[in-house]
This record gives sequence, structure tokens and C-alpha cells, in this order.
Amino acid sequence: AQSVTQLDSQVPVFEEAPVELRCNYSSSVSVYLFWYVQYPNQGLQLLLKYLSGSTLVKGINGFEAEFNKSQTSFHLRKPSVHISDTAEYFCAVVIFGNEKLTFGTGTRLTIIP
Amino acid sequence: DAGITQSPRHKVTETGTPVTLRCHQTENHRYMYWYRQDPGHGLRLIHYSYGVKDTDKGEVSDGYSVSRSKTEDFLLTLESATSSQTSVYFCAISETDRGPGYTFGSGTRLTVV
Repeated sequence: AQSVTQLDSQVPVFEEAPVELRCNYSSSVSVYLFWYVQYPNQGLQLLLKYLSGSTLVKGINGFEAEFNKSQTSFHLRKPSVHISDTAEYFCAVVIFGNEKLTFGTGTRLTIIP
Repeated sequence: DAGITQSPRHKVTETGTPVTLRCHQTENHRYMYWYRQDPGHGLRLIHYSYGVKDTDKGEVSDGYSVSRSKTEDFLLTLESATSSQTSVYFCAISETDRGPGYTFGSGTRLTVV
């Protein structure tokens, strides 16, 4: 069975600084990978997803992620954060042929003015 | 959001009472899911459906049952609610014709007192 690890439960970052949110997955077969964002008291919104092809995936709001198969990672990055990026971010994985989306425990990103 | 609605949005119920949450989609997607979200746990899969009358358990299915008698509706029932089932419940739908893609409802906040 697949699993997802988000090692950082909270990440404080100064406004306009870069940020990286880490995600590692465990699976013996090929996977699809996702990042979702949840703003306070809202539902989940898809930031980006990796299905195949280029390992660098660009998403909404200036975020991007890189799929690294050898390190089983899918870290999320943004070069310059804004106050509006304050939210919780979830990494998720689906294995090929299995339609169940498995989530990590989330990383709360706090932007410091 | 994108043709998926959950009802009710908020509910307070007493321990031991039955509760049914509804997920309705207008997208005619085959797959539907129920997740619960709790602090420190991310989102965990309760049950999912891969067609009318076809359902299966997720990782936290104890105390929950589901039914899907029509493509558009996926019901989650707590037969006898307990305080440990206080949570935010999210429904999701999935279309896989062009690779997996998941859309989430706005959530139902359930409080069991």
C-alpha cells in the first residue's frame, strides 16, 4: 500500500522569501502525485499534479513541484511567498490502477509579515 | 464546486443517534469518495464507490456505512454517532478518462455531543 510523509507539520516563512514544503512517498509501483491547498475554513483546491512526462510541474499561484523518482519525493516550492499563501498544504498519492487518493498529514504554512 | 455538493454543511447531533451525510454530483463521474479530516491526520479515506451499488472500505471505515443507488448520490451513514466521529467530512469525485483528477466538495462539519 502507498503512503505519504510530510515531515514538517508547520513552516513559518517571511513574506517574499522562498519556501519548500517536503513530501516523500512510499510505493513499490508507479504513482501519480498531487498537491492540494486548503485555506482557512475552506475545502481543498488542487495546486498541481504529476501524471507523467516532465518531472517539473507548474501549478497555480506560482507554485511548482519536482518529481524525483530515485528519492521518492515530490517537494513543493515557491520562490517568493505572500501573505495570501497562508494555508495548509497536503501532498497526496495514487498508485497506477488504484483509484484511491492517499494524503499526507499536511503542512501548515504561516507567512510572517 | 465543479458540480459536487454536500449536505448538510453543518450538523450537531447527540451520541447514539444515526446521521446521514449526502454527496451529490452533476458530473456523471464513476468514482466517489468519503474522507474525514482531523488535525494531525490529514484526510483519511472512509469508503469509496466505483459504480452504482459498488462500494468498498477505506482505512477508517469502522462505524460508517455507505450507499450508492444512483450515479449522482453517495450517502455516508453513521449508524450510532460517537464523539470520536466529530470531524469535517469531505466528499470527492474522480474522472479517470484522461488520467486521475479529483474534485472535492466544500465539506460537512459534524459535531457529536
